[in-house]
Amino acid sequence: GENVGLHLPTLSVQEGDNSIINCAYSNSASDYFIWYKQESGKGPQFIIDIRSNMDKRQGQRVTVLLNKTVKHLSLQIAATQPGDSAVYFCAERKAAGNKLTFGGGTRVLVKP
Amino acid sequence: KAGVTQTPRYLIKTRGQQVTLSCSPISGHRSVSWYQQTPGQGLQFLFEYFSETQRNKGNFPGRFSGRQFSNSRSEMNVSTLELGDSALYLCASSLGGSATNEKLFFGSGTQLSVL
Repeated sequence: GENVGLHLPTLSVQEGDNSIINCAYSNSASDYFIWYKQESGKGPQFIIDIRSNMDKRQGQRVTVLLNKTVKHLSLQIAATQPGDSAVYFCAERKAAGNKLTFGGGTRVLVKP
Repeated sequence: KAGVTQTPRYLIKTRGQQVTLSCSPISGHRSVSWYQQTPGQGLQFLFEYFSETQRNKGNFPGRFSGRQFSNSRSEMNVSTLELGDSALYLCASSLGGSATNEKLFFGSGTQLSVL
């Protein structure tokens, strides 16, 4: 999917640096949060998830932090690589089933 | 195993026409969801099907409909197309259980252009 959102915030990061992408979610009843990565011409790809009973979860080079007090979610990417250039979306779900509410997305550009 | 497959990849239609999009989920997945992605509105949930029944529905007009077959494959239909229906339509599948952290896998989408 070519995401050509007119108002997508953009994060420019130097290759090798760490990236932090932030997301404010809307529903305090949401119990599950996910980060997706979308590259040009592709659908969203699952990166990492976290349940509401946790505040941190780590994956390979990625960490998700959840602050329920201020309804804030962040994705940290360690040692950002050119292949990390994409649009990143946070999503929340408040009940069983697959009705996800997505954030607006952040475009990450990795400079060599 | 094969991922979520959507056909066709691109479609061009004119206002007033109708369109049918197809989605084949990952083998073994019983839930199929549809999302619309536009630059202005982002990703929005259309509906979800599980065991041939609509389980969840988003806030789209009745022109948008879907169905699921016994093999879990799904189709969505948009009737009386409007210019604003131009979008990337994404299908996602999951096992369909009740686990809170059930993962959703997306296809590459069908890019619909309405002229």
